Amino acid sequence: QSALTQPRSVSGSPGQSVTISCTGTSSDVGGYNSVSWYQQHPGKAPKLMIYDVSKRPSGVPDRFSGSKSGNTASLTISGLQAEDEADYYCCSYAGSRGYVFGTGTKVTVL
Amino acid sequence: QVQLVQSGAEVKKPGASVKVSCTASGYTFTGYYLHWVRQAPGQGLEWMGVINPGESSTRYAQKFQGRVTVTRDTSTSTVYAELSSLTSEDTAVYYCAREPGGVPAGDKNFDYWGQGTLVTVSS
Repeated sequence: QSALTQPRSVSGSPGQSVTISCTGTSSDVGGYNSVSWYQQHPGKAPKLMIYDVSKRPSGVPDRFSGSKSGNTASLTISGLQAEDEADYYCCSYAGSRGYVFGTGTKVTVL
Repeated sequence: QVQLVQSGAEVKKPGASVKVSCTASGYTFTGYYLHWVRQAPGQGLEWMGVINPGESSTRYAQKFQGRVTVTRDTSTSTVYAELSSLTSEDTAVYYCAREPGGVPAGDKNFDYWGQGTLVTVSS
């Protein structure tokens, strides 16, 4: 059960936008509209930021947006803020295989 | 409010088993899937398995088949994950997480997480 591929790190200055990619296969990301994204600060549990590719849970700022094209999903953070510095993980439903997470991306606010 | 409260840290020797608990409150326990996800130190998240607390049916990641058992106690709204034949590679923080949307369909994501339980495997 291979993990989805994410860049190890991305960075941006406050106010800028950053995009994190999440590449899988037609058996996970490409096969289902059940991609979710999680933010994790050090020592904390993950927090749901995006679900069903592009939907935001209540309370998540609209600076966070998601999309998908083929086997690759993306998370964009617009208007980057200091508190956005964290690790981000994508996750996809994978049918009979259950769920698969991405390798994780560290977002640094310069 | 929805809460998932996990048991405390554990230290185990190689070859032993560990059983971690997750007690739910603030919602109908039998109405939502509960999952187990682990994270080794400095590593990413890894899905282990899921239980339907209403039916006690389970599904496990292939990697953990035969080594993990997820159970539930409806009288205490608690789910358990037991992992056997521990090695140092099982040293990780273990999380329980709720899947919204309710059984049987589920929403295929994880909206509430426990605080995590550190399991250390060391001789």
